[in-house]
Amino acid sequence: DQQVKQNSPSLSVQEGRISILNCDYTNSMFDYFLWYKKYPAEGPTFLISISSIKDKNEDGRFTVFLNKSAKHLSLHIVPSQPGDSAVYFCAASSLIGGSNYKLTFGKGTLLTVNP
Amino acid sequence: EAGVTQSPTHLIKTRGQQVTLRCSPISGHTSVYWYQQALGLGLQFLLWYDEGEERNRGNFPPRFSGRQFPNYSSELNVNALELEDSALYLCASSRSLREQFFGPGTRLTVL
Repeated sequence: DQQVKQNSPSLSVQEGRISILNCDYTNSMFDYFLWYKKYPAEGPTFLISISSIKDKNEDGRFTVFLNKSAKHLSLHIVPSQPGDSAVYFCAASSLIGGSNYKLTFGKGTLLTVNP
Repeated sequence: EAGVTQSPTHLIKTRGQQVTLRCSPISGHTSVYWYQQALGLGLQFLLWYDEGEERNRGNFPPRFSGRQFPNYSSELNVNALELEDSALYLCASSRSLREQFFGPGTRLTVL
């Protein structure tokens, strides 16, 4: 049972336009969400996060929106740059006991930004 | 600040063999997580170590095991390798328990 879903395996956008990557989740216990970016032959790097008590978090060109009622979050990249081409993973955090948390990842979306 | 390091970078083994992968966390991080990324799949959680103890494990058979040393470095051991164990194995470390920082991974190929 996949609790974090990224239904678009790939996305292609033109340089300068907006990239919107989507993520849906099913577990109501998730209370913190993260986006990671992964280049080939490298480990994922943390990009941006959002707590479930917020509906938006912005960091430069990157904005994450959270719709708790729809159990949906999205990552907006504006403007998109060719260097943004990578696999983007959505992850959700849940408490698993005491102060211990676990991250559950989606399968990733390959973003290609064309010059 | 040095990042998470993993060794080796690549590894080729045959079915039935055993393999040990190594991870050194970021200085000051006490938690180490192991993930498997097989082709077409996302990051599948394998194991979590904190302060030398196994805190949680994912839905993997017992032939996947590991340990964490007093310096917080960690090993992942996989016994009786199967073809489907071919994957990228990622190690991550964390201090905040929310944001995890990943190493470059070890690419394991089982023939």
